[in-house]
Amino acid sequence: DAKTTQPTSMDCAEGRAANLPCNHSTISGNEYVYWYRQIHSQGPQYIIHGLKNNETNEMASLIITEDRKSSTLILPHATLRDTAVYYCIVRGTASKLTFGTGTRLQVTL
Amino acid sequence: NAGVMQNPRHLVRRRGQEARLRCSPMKGHSHVYWYRQLPEEGLKFMVYLQKENIIDESGMPKERFSAEFPKEGPSILRIQQVVRGDSAAYFCASSPPGGGKNTEAFFGQGTRLTVV
Repeated sequence: DAKTTQPTSMDCAEGRAANLPCNHSTISGNEYVYWYRQIHSQGPQYIIHGLKNNETNEMASLIITEDRKSSTLILPHATLRDTAVYYCIVRGTASKLTFGTGTRLQVTL
Repeated sequence: NAGVMQNPRHLVRRRGQEARLRCSPMKGHSHVYWYRQLPEEGLKFMVYLQKENIIDESGMPKERFSAEFPKEGPSILRIQQVVRGDSAAYFCASSPPGGGKNTEAFFGQGTRLTVV
């Protein structure tokens, strides 16, 4: 599965949109981009995934560039409860999810 | 529809004892993944199972660790002769039949193993 690169940490003001970038320049055509988050020491929480089209659900939006080499997770109105480590994962034929170090998002008042 | 259930949530074992961690997947899910998270570290894949089959055990330590997912009942991660370095949070995830790259995997809340 392709490797991903994410910033180590980001801050976001409560109520503002949080835009979390992810680089996956070696992604293959049949690999999906997944986003999970881990709040404190809880179990990882599924957020969203996509192949090449932009996706939106009740939690977030996923924007994948046309060349698929990068993507952005958007939390439209961040709250304090969105403070977590966010993981961008490229998932291919191996099926397993390989977690990197993620981005630590701190939402502040 | 209940989520992925792991038990116990906390487990304390003395060095040399056995630890058994249980994972009940979501209803209808037939694929299970186990992960380990050492203190202040990331999640590391251990093993991927389907009912009665181990599909990928590339992350399992060669000794003392085993996993099963029987036809009936929960998936079990078994650690024999535990050592202090086994102290970690162990997470299980499940996904529906198919289990491929286009199916979400949902995680349980984990079992925190402490070896004393």
